[in-house]
Amino acid sequence: GDSVTQMEGPVTLSEEAFLTINCTYTATGYPSLFWYVQYPGEGLQLLLKATKADDKGSNKGFEATYRKETTSFHLEKGSVQVSDSAVYFCALSDGGGGADGLTFGKGTHLIIQP
Amino acid sequence: ETGVTQTPRHLVMGMTNKKSLKCEQHLGHNAMYWYKQSAKKPLELMFVYNFKEQTENNSVPSRFSPECPNSSHLFLHLHTLQPEDSALYLCASSLNRVSGNTIYFGEGSWLTVV
Repeated sequence: GDSVTQMEGPVTLSEEAFLTINCTYTATGYPSLFWYVQYPGEGLQLLLKATKADDKGSNKGFEATYRKETTSFHLEKGSVQVSDSAVYFCALSDGGGGADGLTFGKGTHLIIQP
Repeated sequence: ETGVTQTPRHLVMGMTNKKSLKCEQHLGHNAMYWYKQSAKKPLELMFVYNFKEQTENNSVPSRFSPECPNSSHLFLHLHTLQPEDSALYLCASSLNRVSGNTIYFGEGSWLTVV
């Protein structure tokens, strides 16, 4: 079955540091890939997505590139802020047999210190 | 504000109680979902409805009973729950079930079973 693997957290960085959160996946079809963010006490919000190989999703200074050859979708940001502290979820939607919801990773808790 | 509203935000119930969670979306979407979010576990897809018809039931115990009276509303009826059912229950919607469509989440209902 489909699965998503994310680096375990928490990840603690200083403000303005470079961020990478690794995400790899397995899927039977040709999935779309997503990053969602969950701020404390809130639901999940879509951060960015990519629907085919080599696409780059970007939003709020975050980027991720769909790498089919390495089955990865790593999240990056050049300079993080305290307000980026949240839990980040990598997810896929498998187009092979129709998509019923998303398959999520366990989430990576990011803590940015001033 | 994602356009998906869940009530109540917090619920404490005894194991013999019957309660319901409500979800409403104002986005004109045709697919709606229930997810369970437990600590240190990936989000679990519970139920999927498409055009008011249930299309997915991921081996969810019968003490959870979904209801979708129309495309805008989704309920999760709870009966004789167990303490391990305590979690954040997230409702979500998407335009339809096609891969790549963005799924929009509500802020969740925190359930505590005592």
